[in-house]
Amino acid sequence: DAKTTQPPSMDCAEGRAANLPCNHSTISGNEYVYWYRQIHSQGPQYIIHGLKNNETNEMASLIITEDRKSSTLILPHATLRDTAVYYCIVRANTGNQFYFGTGTSLTVIP
Amino acid sequence: GAVVSQHPSRVICKSGTSVKIECRSLDFQATTMFWYRQFPKQSLMLMATSNEGSKATYEQGVEKDKFLINHASLTLSTLTVTSAHPEDSSFYICSARDPRGRETQYFGPGTRLLVL
Repeated sequence: DAKTTQPPSMDCAEGRAANLPCNHSTISGNEYVYWYRQIHSQGPQYIIHGLKNNETNEMASLIITEDRKSSTLILPHATLRDTAVYYCIVRANTGNQFYFGTGTSLTVIP
Repeated sequence: GAVVSQHPSRVICKSGTSVKIECRSLDFQATTMFWYRQFPKQSLMLMATSNEGSKATYEQGVEKDKFLINHASLTLSTLTVTSAHPEDSSFYICSARDPRGRETQYFGPGTRLLVL
């Protein structure tokens, strides 16, 4: 599975959009981009995933560049409860395992 | 999303004893479950893949005789930490692949193990 690179930490003001970047320059054609988040002392929570088209659900939007070498997770109106570590993971659709990187620690500031 | 539960949520045991952690998929059948371990301020590390009705597949460096995995049914996988030592103290998390979804995995809430 392709390796991902994320900034170690970010801050975001409450009510503003949080844009979390992820680089995956070695991604293969059959690999999806997944986003999970982990609030302190809890199990990871699924957020969203996509292949090449932008995706949106009730939690977030996922923007994938045309060359698929990077993506951005957007939380449109961040709240204090969005403070968590956000993981970007790339995995083939035929794959089983998820391998977690170090993620981005997002702190939403009042 | 799908629900995955773990039991117990936290456990304290004496060094040398064995501890069993259960992982259940509550609203779907999971032929494949996964076990992770997470040390403080570190990311999740995949330990093993649990396959229903067959032997688990362990990641490199994980001792299969120390971390026994049993996946006896489509909704239950167990991880037994045998002869636990203080260095096994960690946050153990399981996940299950929901075959109904788009290859998404759902994670349990985790089990905090403290070995004294």
